Amino acid sequence: EAGVAQSPRYKIIEKRQSVAFWCNPISGHATLYWYQQILGQGPKLLIQFQNNGVVDDSQLPKDRFSAERLKGVDSTLKIQPAKLEDSAVYLCASSLAEGTGELFFGEGSRLTVL
Amino acid sequence: GENVEQHPSTLSVQEGDSAVIKCTYSDSASNYFPWYKQELGKRPQLIIDIRSNVGEKKDQRIAVTLNKTAKHFSLHITETQPEDSAVYFCAALFSGGGADGLTFGKGTHLIIQP
Repeated sequence: EAGVAQSPRYKIIEKRQSVAFWCNPISGHATLYWYQQILGQGPKLLIQFQNNGVVDDSQLPKDRFSAERLKGVDSTLKIQPAKLEDSAVYLCASSLAEGTGELFFGEGSRLTVL
Repeated sequence: GENVEQHPSTLSVQEGDSAVIKCTYSDSASNYFPWYKQELGKRPQLIIDIRSNVGEKKDQRIAVTLNKTAKHFSLHITETQPEDSAVYFCAALFSGGGADGLTFGKGTHLIIQP
């Protein structure tokens, strides 16, 4: 079974530039999450999708972060403009359905903002 | 929202000894408690989980205990081996209104000394 795919794996940008990350969840997984993991910390939920609808984006800094999952499969997370404190690994995860709990994570996209 | 505290932040044990990592959570409605293992530069991977209707669960050398009254749960690893060295994250989930993103602890860096 193919896992959660993410790209790019690494990205270095300067502050105030923009960046986009892509995620393809496990086939058939209706629920998709984006997490931010700052070095030395646990993952922090940014946004949760159920199919193509947003279920929870309460911790997403909406002035600079946006995400979409237009066809209920792939998702993109965008940061514009980036700040130094956005340097982190952005993890995409998927699960079969709401409330099942078990998440399958991608390898992550490591962002460095200079 | 949910808050998860994890201790210790670093744990060093001799190979063959046991390791215990403890977590507390704040939301008494949380009902799912997974543990993830993350090796350096890799994705978090589920190693064991427990639901609120169970007090203990074992899987070979790994066990998790849950005390709902005290709102804490623990990971126990027996007969530790070098490959157990990693960062371990506990998490808690409350599924409400469709939003069921996990809240993670800050992680425990487990070091197995040869």
